[in-house]
Amino acid sequence: NAGVTQTPKFQVLKTGQSMTLQCAQDMNHEYMSWYRQDPGMGLRLIHYSVGAGITDQGEVPNGYNVSRSTTEDFPLRLLSAAPSQTSVYFCASSYMEAGTQYFGPGTRLLVL
Amino acid sequence: AQSVTQLDSHVSVSEGTPVLLRCNYSSSYSPSLFWYVQHPNKGLQLLLKYTSAATLVKGINGFEAEFKKSETSFHLTKPSAHMSDAAEYFCVANSGGSNYKLTFGKGTLLTVNP
Repeated sequence: NAGVTQTPKFQVLKTGQSMTLQCAQDMNHEYMSWYRQDPGMGLRLIHYSVGAGITDQGEVPNGYNVSRSTTEDFPLRLLSAAPSQTSVYFCASSYMEAGTQYFGPGTRLLVL
Repeated sequence: AQSVTQLDSHVSVSEGTPVLLRCNYSSSYSPSLFWYVQHPNKGLQLLLKYTSAATLVKGINGFEAEFKKSETSFHLTKPSAHMSDAAEYFCVANSGGSNYKLTFGKGTLLTVNP
């Protein structure tokens, strides 16, 4: 199993550009989430999904969109990048019963 | 609403000495509690979790944590620090039965000196 994979590992954007951060898992997990990590802030939930076709907002959803067309994939879209979105983004997945989230390696995003 | 407070943003120990990373939580429900570790430029790895079974939880790499409901604490300990333990540690709470909604502490950076 590859676990949770994320691409790209690193990305530089200009203000106003859009892009999609990819996340995939091969563990057949129903639950997937996106977090951003900023210094001194811990991880904050952006969006999450409880299964294909179902998504909901987390703590800091503004400026981001998600969709969940398959169980495996959960892409995060930045609609119009802003310097405040400079961060490290982590995708995670879990079984409901296990209560353990498995994290991807992260995508480091720099918005100029 | 639940919250997680890690009482120290930075802890420095010498190799071979004990490690104590402190975490307090507040929650309206009986939470599940986790400790994750993040090594530099890496993702988060689960160290251990508490889910209302034994209050003393043993994890990987010699770490353990004790759930104390009366003190609303879930402190992480290790008897003897290794250089490889240098990393950032996150205390995490999950309540209400929704595993996809975790509340993270702000992290504690552990430095291990030779």
